[in-house]
Amino acid sequence: KNQVEQSPQSLIILEGKNCTLQCNYTVSPFSNLRWYKQDTGRGPVSLTIMTFSENTKSNGRYTATLDADTKQSSLHITASQLSDSASYICVVSAKSGDRKLIWGLGTSLGVNP
Amino acid sequence: DAGITQSPRYKITETGRQVTLMCHQTWSHSYMFWYRQDLGHGLRLIYYSAAADITDKGEVPDGYVVSRSKTENFPLTLESATRSQTSVYFCASSDLGGNTEAFFGQGTRLTVV
Repeated sequence: KNQVEQSPQSLIILEGKNCTLQCNYTVSPFSNLRWYKQDTGRGPVSLTIMTFSENTKSNGRYTATLDADTKQSSLHITASQLSDSASYICVVSAKSGDRKLIWGLGTSLGVNP
Repeated sequence: DAGITQSPRYKITETGRQVTLMCHQTWSHSYMFWYRQDLGHGLRLIYYSAAADITDKGEVPDGYVVSRSKTENFPLTLESATRSQTSVYFCASSDLGGNTEAFFGQGTRLTVV
């Protein structure tokens, strides 16, 4: 069964600190992996999209890594800001006719001053 | 304004009533999607459309109807609302489907009483 699991479920850090969120997936055949940020009461916003051949992709203070062999991805946030408080969702696209997206449950990140 | 907009933002309806959620995008994206988001579940795909007049079922289509007579609009209708359809609904669009970034609307919070 295609699944995406994220850890931790929730995390609280102090402003200015770094953190790393984890994503493990069992989706096959793999097409691409995305990280989305979802603020409370808003729709998800794409941070990165990585294909099989990409190991690392950055978007400002966000850096995503992908290990397609172990089927693991991480999202590293550097020098966190209060505005980083949100849910971060890992999404994996299966290589099928409709390019189905399998969504994780997200990690809820709180950044405190 | 450019982007993807949903209406209404909030809706309360009674069991058995028909309700339509609207979605409009200004990018002329080919693909449009409807998701629902519930606690304990990742986003789940209800229906999607690859182009005008082409729609297909997603993961949880029962009780929903969609149409796409124009590229920019993708309304979602609950034919006879049930309490289990209480949820937050997100519309999204993308240019080429599964391998490209999807842009989400701000969501519609629907409560069925």
